[in-house]
Amino acid sequence: EPEVTQTPSHQVTQMGQEVILRCVPISNHLYFYWYRQILGQKVEFLVSFYNNEISEKSEIFDDQFSVERPDGSNFTLKIRSTKLEDSAMYFCASSKTTLTDTQYFGPGTRLTVL
Amino acid sequence: ILNVEQSPQSLHVQEGDSTNFTCSFPSSNFYALHWYRWETAKSPEALFVMTLNGDEKKKGRISATLNTKEGYSYLYIKGSQPEDSATYLCASPGGTSYGKLTFGQGTILTVHP
Repeated sequence: EPEVTQTPSHQVTQMGQEVILRCVPISNHLYFYWYRQILGQKVEFLVSFYNNEISEKSEIFDDQFSVERPDGSNFTLKIRSTKLEDSAMYFCASSKTTLTDTQYFGPGTRLTVL
Repeated sequence: ILNVEQSPQSLHVQEGDSTNFTCSFPSSNFYALHWYRWETAKSPEALFVMTLNGDEKKKGRISATLNTKEGYSYLYIKGSQPEDSATYLCASPGGTSYGKLTFGQGTILTVHP
């Protein structure tokens, strides 16, 4: 069964460093998402991506964040200058359509900023 | 701001017990309600997407109901097994067009052998 994959599973970085989190969505899906969960808090939406552009983003998704689909398979989240408060589990998801379609999640990348 | 709430926060049951938990969401601008099962170190697993008032869906021993008029959904597990231990999340896209899901805080279920 097709699945969403994410790498790395765990990333440790120093404050101020750039990180790139990678995802391979399910191949025939058209909508892509990033979410995150800070320990003890709700899973929260960061950004959605469709037709090679951002379709919606949350207030968390400021200029420090960017997303890219550099080829037909990868979907990346870049954080330019990490802060302590960026430490969280980051999930990638994909779906064929929106609203009433299932979003399939990857296993997440645990980001720790020191 | 869409607010999705789940209760209880955590639940401990004995193997064989049946259990249920609740997800509440705003009844206005409703499109869908998603249920996920999330075990630590694994991908959140999609259980159900529910769209119609009165909808009832079933997957093995797990079932869910939906009341869009009053804004709640119940998830039931019949005859809980230790492997059902997980966090159960519900989420709703609200009125947005691009599928942004707003999640509840989850219910952590522990089934004791």
